[in-house]
Amino acid sequence: KQEVTQIPAALSVPEGENLVLNCSFTDSAIYNLQWFRQDPGKGLTSLLLIQSSQREQTSGRLNASLDKSSGRSTLYIAASQPGDSATYLCAVGPYTNAGKSTFGDGTTLTVKP
Amino acid sequence: DGGITQSPKYLFRKEGQNVTLSCEQNLNHDAMYWYRQDPGQGLRLIYYSQIVNDFQKGDIAEGYSVSREKKESFPLTVTSAQKNPTAFYLCASSPQGAGKQNEQFFGPGTRLTVL
Repeated sequence: KQEVTQIPAALSVPEGENLVLNCSFTDSAIYNLQWFRQDPGKGLTSLLLIQSSQREQTSGRLNASLDKSSGRSTLYIAASQPGDSATYLCAVGPYTNAGKSTFGDGTTLTVKP
Repeated sequence: DGGITQSPKYLFRKEGQNVTLSCEQNLNHDAMYWYRQDPGQGLRLIYYSQIVNDFQKGDIAEGYSVSREKKESFPLTVTSAQKNPTAFYLCASSPQGAGKQNEQFFGPGTRLTVL
């Protein structure tokens, strides 16, 4: 059974800092990996999707990497801003049933002005 | 505007009542999903459907039921058999099939509270 872990559970940084969020998974037979942002009391917003054949994806100040062999993905946020404060979740989609993703518990990021 | 809508935003249930949460999408996605989120935790899959008139149980299906009579709609019923239904419920959809990326898109959620 796939297990997804996100460490740390919470992170606080000063504005302007570059930071990395981590996502680890136990089964490397994945179809894709998706990073989401969730604001308090809201739904999830898709940030980046990486297919299993890809190594990284970029969108603006965000860069997500994928290393299947080590079971890891990282989300890099450049020049963090207070508006980046939110919970970030990763979800791993398996090859056998691509629709049945497994989610991590998330990392809650606070960016202080 | 393309997207996923969920209603109501807040829902209160008395003990012994069944309640139905609505989820509608106009993204023309084949697959739809229901997740439950408890405070400080990730999402757990309740049910999912990859095609109209077909659906499968997720990891925590007990006490819940769904239907998929139309491509656009995937309502979730929380029955009285669900002993601890207070949670945040999220609906999602994604395209499916060969060559599709299966990227999931989420609705705004429904917060259910048992009185």
